[in-house]
Amino acid sequence: AQSVTQLDSQVPVFEEAPVELRCNYSSSVSVYLFWYVQYPNQGLQLLLKYLSGSTLVESINGFEAEFNKSQTSFHLRKPSVHISDTAEYFCAVSDSRNTPLVFGKGTRLSVIA
Amino acid sequence: DTGVSQNPRHKITKRGQNVTFRCDPISEHNRLYWYRQTLGQGPEFLTYFQNEAQLEKSRLLSDRFSAERPKGSFSTLEIQRTEQGDSAMYLCASSLAEIYGYTFGSGTRLTVV
Repeated sequence: AQSVTQLDSQVPVFEEAPVELRCNYSSSVSVYLFWYVQYPNQGLQLLLKYLSGSTLVESINGFEAEFNKSQTSFHLRKPSVHISDTAEYFCAVSDSRNTPLVFGKGTRLSVIA
Repeated sequence: DTGVSQNPRHKITKRGQNVTFRCDPISEHNRLYWYRQTLGQGPEFLTYFQNEAQLEKSRLLSDRFSAERPKGSFSTLEIQRTEQGDSAMYLCASSLAEIYGYTFGSGTRLTVV
């Protein structure tokens, strides 16, 4: 069965600084990878996903994630964060058999003014 | 489309009582998922349906839990003889398939006192 490890439970960062949220998954032949965001008092929203092809995927609000098969990682990055990025971020994985998503424990990103 | 709707938003119940939650998915989505989320944890898979068929159940889903999706539309999750350990946010999501990601509802927060 798949598993996901998010290495940092909390990441504080100053506004306009870069950030990286780390995600590693257990090995599989083929996986689909996702990042979800949960803003305070809201439901989970899909941020971006990797299915195949280019290993770098981007979201509409400036986040990007890079699929690294050899390191079984899918780290999320943003070059300059805003206060509004304060939220909990969850990495999730499914294998190519369309099994339900397995989520990591989440990383709480706190952006400090 | 109004997205995934969950009712009630909050439920406080006494230990030993039965509770039922409802989820209305996006109408064209044939897959419906139930997850549970506790403080500091990511969503944990409980069960999922493809149309009206329940295809997989997690070991987390004890005999006290039952889920249905009659006619492949809305779904209900019932917990019998609630225990304090059942206190959590219960999340419902729907999708066409894993490659599209999931659309989550806002969840039902259960508190067992």
